[in-house]
Amino acid sequence: LAKTTQPISMDSYEGQEVNITCSHNNIATNDYITWYQQFPSQGPRFIIQGYKTKVTNEVASLFIPADRKSSTLSLPRVSLSDTAVYYCLLSGSARQLTFGSGTQLTVLP
Amino acid sequence: GAVVSQHPSWVICKSGTSVKIECRSLDFQATTMFWYRQFPKQSLMLMATSNEGSKATYEQGVEKDKFLINHASLTLSTLTVTSAHPEDSSFYICSARDERGAGTEAFFGQGTRLTVV
Repeated sequence: LAKTTQPISMDSYEGQEVNITCSHNNIATNDYITWYQQFPSQGPRFIIQGYKTKVTNEVASLFIPADRKSSTLSLPRVSLSDTAVYYCLLSGSARQLTFGSGTQLTVLP
Repeated sequence: GAVVSQHPSWVICKSGTSVKIECRSLDFQATTMFWYRQFPKQSLMLMATSNEGSKATYEQGVEKDKFLINHASLTLSTLTVTSAHPEDSSFYICSARDERGAGTEAFFGQGTRLTVV
C-alpha cells in the first residue's frame, strides 16, 4: 500500500497561512491526492483533492509538483477552529484508503 | 458534498453482548465501503473493506467472525461487533466511496464511540 509521510505536528497563529507538505514517493499513475481534516471524536472531513498542478476551493489550495511525489495543502488565514489533525491520502480506483499518522495543526491566538 | 450517515453516534454495552453499527450513503450509491477503528491519539486503522453483494475483505489481524460486516444494499453497510469485550472499546468510523467523480472521493461517517463495560 502506498505510504504517505507528513510532519507529526505544526503550530501556527491566527491569521497566518499554513502549508502542510506530504511526501508520497511511490504514488501510482491512477492515484489522486486527497486531504482530510479530523476533529476529536468526529469522522474525517474531506477538504480537497487533486491529481496534478494546483487545485483551489473555498477552504484550501493544493499544490502538486510535476513529479507528483509530494503535495502541499495550503490553508489561508487560519483561525482557532482550524486546530485539527490533517491527513494526506492517496486514492485510486483500486486502492484502499490507508491513513498515515497525520499532522496535528494547533492554531494559537 | 456527499453525505455518509453513521448510527449510533455512541453506544455502551455489556461484555459478551453484540453491537451493530450502521453506515448509510444518503445521496449516492456505494459499491464499496470501508470500516476503520481509531484509538485515542492514534490514526485511523482500516479494518475491512465492505463490498456490496459479496464478502468483506478483512485486514490482517482483524477477526472476521468477531467483526461481522454486511453490505446488502448499495446504500447500507453494517458492522456487528460480536461478543464485545472492553478491549473492543474504540471509535469506529465508516466511509463510502462516491464513484461518480473522477477522483473516487471517499466520505466519512461521524463515527461511533463504542464503550464496552
